[in-house]
Amino acid sequence: DQQVKQNSPSLSVQEGRISILNCDYTNSMFDYFLWYKKYPAEGPTFLISISSIKDKNEDGRFTVFLNKSAKHLSLHIVPSQPGDSAVYFCAASAKSGGSNYKLTFGKGTLLTVNP
Amino acid sequence: EPEVTQTPSHQVTQMGQEVILRCVPISNHLYFYWYRQILGQKVEFLVSFYNNEISEKSEIFDDQFSVERPDGSNFTLKIRSTKLEDSAMYFCASSWGGEQFFGPGTRLTVL
Repeated sequence: DQQVKQNSPSLSVQEGRISILNCDYTNSMFDYFLWYKKYPAEGPTFLISISSIKDKNEDGRFTVFLNKSAKHLSLHIVPSQPGDSAVYFCAASAKSGGSNYKLTFGKGTLLTVNP
Repeated sequence: EPEVTQTPSHQVTQMGQEVILRCVPISNHLYFYWYRQILGQKVEFLVSFYNNEISEKSEIFDDQFSVERPDGSNFTLKIRSTKLEDSAMYFCASSWGGEQFFGPGTRLTVL
């Protein structure tokens, strides 16, 4: 069941450059999307979210873009810092389907930012 | 900053034994969740809980699993008779209706 796909298992970028993490989804009922960061031996940490009524949401160095027609979203980190090195998970939910809105996760992308 | 806490951080048990994983959600949150992540696999939804009852559960959440909010602060996941395939990281999460905040997880090892 691959409703949320992160096709790149890993990404390596230089400090100061842009990191772009991609995510695709298949379920057209999804209307709320989130990015989480996870360090080893810790739980996922919420980064940024976007509702399907928007196509962009920005928070500091993090920007999420949503292309509903392509069922694609991306997370941009500018500038990338070594402390950003972690696994990034894309998650989606069908918020309009109920208040509990379980999250469906992708497999994650390991981002390594080199000094 | 308020956070979700989970105990224990690591639980080792024998197959067939009962385990209880404990979580303290963020205090003003209304929705509570359990997820799990088997090594090398995705984070998977198990169950959501709202207004003192289960609001949704996945096919993984069979009769061996139960959840409870025994008081105003704790949220527990019980596995009645553990199987080898229950070995995973179990994450508790809570929300007020927006983004979900996750605890650090409990690593369950079933021998």
